[in-house]
Amino acid sequence: DQQVKQNSPSLSVQEGRISILNCDYTNSMFDYFLWYKKYPAEGPTFLISISSIKDKNEDGRFTVFLNKSAKHLSLHIVPSQPGDSAVYFCAASISSGSARQLTFGSGTQLTVLP
Amino acid sequence: ETGVTQSPTHLIKTRGQQVTLRCSSQSGHNTVSWYQQALGQGPQFIFQYYREEENGRGNFPPRFSGLQFPNYSSELNVNALELDDSALYLCASSFTGVNGYTFGSGTRLTVV
Repeated sequence: DQQVKQNSPSLSVQEGRISILNCDYTNSMFDYFLWYKKYPAEGPTFLISISSIKDKNEDGRFTVFLNKSAKHLSLHIVPSQPGDSAVYFCAASISSGSARQLTFGSGTQLTVLP
Repeated sequence: ETGVTQSPTHLIKTRGQQVTLRCSSQSGHNTVSWYQQALGQGPQFIFQYYREEENGRGNFPPRFSGLQFPNYSSELNVNALELDDSALYLCASSFTGVNGYTFGSGTRLTVV
């Protein structure tokens, strides 16, 4: 049972345009959401996060939107740059857990074309 | 400030063997978690250690075990290796919780 789903395995975007990566979750106990970026041969690196008490969080070119009623979040990258090409993972956590484990989606490969 | 380092980077083992993977946490981090990432999937939580005690475990059998040492370095041990254990194993350390996780580059384990 996949509790965090990223239904698009890949996305291609032109440089300078907006990239929108989507993520759905099923567990209503999740109250903290994160996006990670992963380059080949490297570990995932933290990008941006959002608490369930918010519906938007912005950091430079990156904005995460959370729609709790739809159990959906999205990551917007504006403007997209070739260096943004990587696999993006959505992850969720339950803050009341003793172990703050992350539940990851399967990832979306973003390719930004020059 | 050093990041999270994992060793070895690549490893090939035979089915039925045992393997030990190692992780050096980022300086100042007291929590370490291990994740398994199979090909084409996202990382899956194996377990977490805090102050040398396991304080959370994912859906993995007991043949997956771990240790955390006083210097906060950690080991992941897998006994009776199966072909499906072939994956990238990621270590992540933190002091402040999920928002502060730093991942290592992983150990690529191939079981033949």
